[in-house]
Amino acid sequence: ETGVTQSPTHLIKTRGQQVTLRCSSQSGHNTVSWYQQALGQGPQFIFQYYREEENGRGNFPPRFSGLQFPNYSSELNVNALELDDSALYLCASSLPGTISYNEQFFGPGTRLTVL
Amino acid sequence: DQQVKQNSPSLSVQEGRISILNCDYTNSMFDYFLWYKKYPAEGPTFLISISSIKDKNEDGRFTVFLNKSAKHLSLHIVPSQPGDSAVYFCAARTHGSSNTGKLIFGQGTTLQVKP
Repeated sequence: ETGVTQSPTHLIKTRGQQVTLRCSSQSGHNTVSWYQQALGQGPQFIFQYYREEENGRGNFPPRFSGLQFPNYSSELNVNALELDDSALYLCASSLPGTISYNEQFFGPGTRLTVL
Repeated sequence: DQQVKQNSPSLSVQEGRISILNCDYTNSMFDYFLWYKKYPAEGPTFLISISSIKDKNEDGRFTVFLNKSAKHLSLHIVPSQPGDSAVYFCAARTHGSSNTGKLIFGQGTTLQVKP
């Protein structure tokens, strides 16, 4: 059973640029959630995708957008990067209707630095 | 608006002793609570959970207690081991039509278990 993987591991961008982060969900999981973890804080919910559709969104501006593909992998896109976007971005997968739905499985994250 | 709070940023205990990590919440609509453990350079790993209809759940050395009237939960680790040294996050799930499965995290508590 393959766990949740994310790419890239680290990324450095400059203010105003755009970035795409990628996530492969755990085998069989059709739900992917994205979280932003700023330094010294807990993860904050960005949005969730279920069967290729957005299924809930946190308090993040529209320049944060996402996609989920038929194989349930997902992308997080951030446009017009700001310095405050520097954070660890975590992806978590789960399968509704199973015990794993409560216990979301997290990837190792992508560390984004905006200069 | 911090709905889940972990007021102790750090905790240090001796190996073999009990570790008690605390978490407070404000939203009475939370129906499920979870604890995650996070090592550096890894994503959060699910540890233990409790439904809002219960007041205790035990799994080996880990026990979670829920006091709904006080809106407080705690994680007990007995006996503590050096390998337990990590950041511990308390999380709560809000169940709604548009944010199914969304987790709200506390800020985390760094536990250090000294040999």
